[in-house]
Amino acid sequence: GAGVSQSPSNKVTEKGKDVELRCDPISGHTALYWYRQRLGQGLEFLIYFQGNSAPDKSGLPSDRFSAERTGESVSTLTIQRTQQEDSAVYLCASSSQWLARETQYFGPGTRLLVL
Amino acid sequence: GENVEQHPSTLSVQEGDSAVIKCTYSDSASNYFPWYKQELGKRPQLIIDIRSNVGEKKDQRIAVTLNKTAKHFSLHITETQPEDSAVYFCAVLHSGTYKYIFGTGTRLKVLA
Repeated sequence: GAGVSQSPSNKVTEKGKDVELRCDPISGHTALYWYRQRLGQGLEFLIYFQGNSAPDKSGLPSDRFSAERTGESVSTLTIQRTQQEDSAVYLCASSSQWLARETQYFGPGTRLLVL
Repeated sequence: GENVEQHPSTLSVQEGDSAVIKCTYSDSASNYFPWYKQELGKRPQLIIDIRSNVGEKKDQRIAVTLNKTAKHFSLHITETQPEDSAVYFCAVLHSGTYKYIFGTGTRLKVLA
């Protein structure tokens, strides 16, 4: 079936503008994750959802970052008043929460460049 | 909270040699341990995983070993090829929270 998809694939914005990133998980996957990956760096956890609720928001860098998920499907990550340090690839991943199906699948990412 | 350490950060091997990457974790409640390969500009892709009730798993040239007592697991790649060059990440899934913690990555370079 279809994998995890993200849009846009690339986003260039000016400092101070808001951006919205979208993630479509694999159908039926109840867990959804957002990560940030700066150039040449590892995966920085931002937030994850179990269904529509977010048990752990501890990775959100500041109150400029927020995320929501509706209908146990699509999720959006919003960054307000973007800063140059927000430039990175934002990766979304999803997984089932059934035993032996915990494998996490990643989307292609959104490359964000803040000028 | 859970902490995952990954070593080495970089690894260069000659083509045909073996490569070993090790991760240690802190939370004994962790029960699922995947390894991801990330090529330049691409998304992380799962290459092998192991669950806590198994000590070793092998898939062709790739194997993973788990020592639950010592809280470490390792990725073994045999007969390395240039296309194995990539960044490899280990991860740990905490039982009950469904939150993944990733290692910091190992940049593997296979020299032809």
